[in-house]
Amino acid sequence: SAVISQKPSRDICQRGTSLTIQCQVDSQVTMMFWYRQQPGQSLTLIATANQGSEATYESGFVIDKFPISRPNLTFSTLTVSNMSPEDSSIYLCSVAEGWEQYFGPGTRLTVT
Amino acid sequence: QQPVQSPQAVILREGEDAVINCSSSKALYSVHWYRQKHGEAPVFLMILLKGGEQKGHEKISASFNEKKQQSSLYLTASQLSYSGTYFCGTEISPFSGTYKYIFGTGTRLKVLA
Repeated sequence: SAVISQKPSRDICQRGTSLTIQCQVDSQVTMMFWYRQQPGQSLTLIATANQGSEATYESGFVIDKFPISRPNLTFSTLTVSNMSPEDSSIYLCSVAEGWEQYFGPGTRLTVT
Repeated sequence: QQPVQSPQAVILREGEDAVINCSSSKALYSVHWYRQKHGEAPVFLMILLKGGEQKGHEKISASFNEKKQQSSLYLTASQLSYSGTYFCGTEISPFSGTYKYIFGTGTRLKVLA
């Protein structure tokens, strides 16, 4: 099974700034995903990031706010831009291997 | 659009059984089940495909009723390690394998000794 790490594990940021979250996988995977999870709530898909193509964003999420890079088959970044307190959440990356989906440990973001 | 899970929360004693339901207002193409412990990442439990095929690696069973757009997760002889929040994930595309899921509302399960 894929092992996924994320950096940073948590951060406290000021309103109006940006934070880039890194996701590293220990094996080459085609499909990577970024999710957001409010504490105690369900997961919401932000975008799908496949290597070699532009990320595909879900309704309610736009590239200007959440730019994503996918430079190779083991790495991706999600940037949360021009942050507001409403962006406070846990951000998780995940990968698909066969029928299974594996999640990273998450990045807990607090915007003040 | 988000699948609704029931119950919202359940408390069990070790050894008791539980059923968690996932109901969608849209057609289901496949259903994933996950368990998430507090402060940890969700962990894949099982996938159910149209036609009844199941793939999973834990001693947990599930059913998938395409007609009723529902899935149920069956936890039998529960153990303390079963505690956590359970999510269903329903595939939002008719093209199976896209792995784009809408996650359900979640069910918090606590097993007491």
